Order: sequence, then C-alpha cells, then structure tokens
Amino acid sequence: DTGVSQDPRHKITKRGQNVTFRCDPISEHNRLYWYRQTLGQGPEFLTYFQNEAQLEKSRLLSDRFSAERPKGSFSTLEIQRTEQGDSAMYLCASRPLEEWSEQFFGPGTRLTVL
Amino acid sequence: RKEVEQDPGPFNVPEGATVAFNCTYSNSASQSFFWYRQDCRKEPKLLMSVYSSGNEDGRFTAQLNRASQYISLLIRDSKLSDSATYLCVVNGYSSASKIIFGSGTRLSIRP
Repeated sequence: DTGVSQDPRHKITKRGQNVTFRCDPISEHNRLYWYRQTLGQGPEFLTYFQNEAQLEKSRLLSDRFSAERPKGSFSTLEIQRTEQGDSAMYLCASRPLEEWSEQFFGPGTRLTVL
Repeated sequence: RKEVEQDPGPFNVPEGATVAFNCTYSNSASQSFFWYRQDCRKEPKLLMSVYSSGNEDGRFTAQLNRASQYISLLIRDSKLSDSATYLCVVNGYSSASKIIFGSGTRLSIRP
C-alpha cells in the first residue's frame, strides 16, 4: 500500500496519560499536515510541515501538543496530559510540492480519553 | 467568523434530483479551492478542484466567485452513492499556506 498510513488506528487512554501517534506519508510528498476532527465537524488544521520544518501551527495546538518530523519523512504527534476534550479523530495528510496539488489523507487515529 | 463556512445540512433529496451546495471563505487572498467527499467514519478524499473558470466532472460542476468569495458544487442526477459529507476546502495565499476545511454539508439521497 503506497498511501498515507497512520498508527495506531485506535487509542483508548485515561485522562492524564500521554499518547503519541505516527504518520507515514506518501514517500515523495514533501508536505505533511495534521488535523483533528470531531463528530459533525470538518477537519481542523493543527500543524503543517514542509520536509522537516514545521511551518505553521494552529492556535488550537496548545502546549500539550507537539509534532515532529525529524527526517522529513514520518511524523509524530504527541499529546501530553490528555483531557477528555482531546477525544477526536486525528488525521494526517500529505501533499507533493507541486503548486495547488491535492492532499492525500491517511485513515486517521481515533483517540478516546476516558 | 469562521474562515470557511458551509451550510451543514442535512440535505435529503430523492434519487435523480439536482442539489447544490455553497461555501463562503473569508480570506480574499485565497488561491485554490477544492471539494472533498467524506464517507461516514472514513478519511476525506478529493472530489474535484475548483478552477476560476468553473469546471465540470461528469455529474459534478464546481464554480468559483472571487468577488463574493464563495464556491459552489452542483450535483446533477444524484445517485444513492452520492450520500456523504461534502467538505469545502480553501488553500491560502500560497500553496505553502495552511489548508482550511469547512465543517461539511451532509447529503442523503433517498430512493
């Protein structure tokens, strides 16, 4: 499968725990995006990488959230001290460098915080 | 005001009907626009890009009105398989800018 992959697909955790999600983009795509989606809403932008550089972060991304893309390939999104409000689907998308190209999404990681 | 706004619906129309969705955006410098489709509990997938001159892909027609800052999607001869959420997507002033999604319009096609 040469699409975007995310791991794990589902995560259940207790409030206060830390969680880390991984995204493997399509290999030749320079750009990588993280989104959060809750029921009935569209994906909310969290952050964006071009290669290993994090170019933009949403105000939604509190200090408890951190994302990395150390070698410009896979990316991780960590949430520290999870809260029930963090429960959502976390989507990763990648995109080539060509102007105005489409994004390709992974299947998402569904987080449930108890 | 949200950066990208859509009527959430739901739109419930009979098979064969024509249905149209609008989406407004707040950043006049936005340069590219897309419609994505999202099926229940699945990831979004590109339906079509929206070009300045308008474009058509089979039963789907997309239009852009820069002066009024809205884009539209028209679905003709709707099929049961068109039932999904349709997401309006706006890219900022450069392709390096963040990409913003609307909250989506739910469409349900009934037999």
